[in-house]
Amino acid sequence: SAVISQKPSRDICQRGTSLTIQCQVDSQVTMMFWYRQQPGQSLTLIATANQGSEATYESGFVIDKFPISRPNLTFSTLTVSNMSPEDSSIYLCSVINNEQFFGPGTRLTVL
Amino acid sequence: QKEVEQNSGPLSVPEGAIASLNCTYSDRGSQSFFWYRQYSGKSPELIMFIYSNGDKEDGRFTAQLNKASQYVSLLIRDSQPSDSATYLCAVSTGTALIFGKGTTLSVSS
Repeated sequence: SAVISQKPSRDICQRGTSLTIQCQVDSQVTMMFWYRQQPGQSLTLIATANQGSEATYESGFVIDKFPISRPNLTFSTLTVSNMSPEDSSIYLCSVINNEQFFGPGTRLTVL
Repeated sequence: QKEVEQNSGPLSVPEGAIASLNCTYSDRGSQSFFWYRQYSGKSPELIMFIYSNGDKEDGRFTAQLNKASQYVSLLIRDSQPSDSATYLCAVSTGTALIFGKGTTLSVSS
């Protein structure tokens, strides 16, 4: 199994600002994933983060808007840049360790 | 564009009945299929996965896969009020998972 923690658990931010979300895993994993879950919707993959290489972004998501760091095998950050109300969502970190586990999520509200 | 489709529901069943949740996927090359349960305000948790055509049973849950029809289902026997949640179908692209929008299940006592 894998235990994943995220910080912050929730935040309320002003339009135009940026927020960095941290994800910590209790074991070393090769790939970490960042998902977004907008209100009433399912999970949408933002990007895959591998240690030592650039993150791979899914269609509709770009590095300038969602820069990702992956400095080691247990940690990653996702930044939501120049936020707008449309970015209000739950952001989930996820890893694969025999099966795919999800962190508790970061609930972001942009005013 | 790889897609996973689910009926959003809500699906309402009485306690003790069988709940049947369905999912179709567009990528014929998909190999692994997952069912997650998500309670309101919580993260998804894995219920079952299936790789091969046919049925796979785990307690009250049975996953069914038909790759020719690109169809996967989840049966919940003896449904309990605690089963009330959103059930997400997910398909592996080889690395990450692509999720359907989920089916909301309500089990009434």
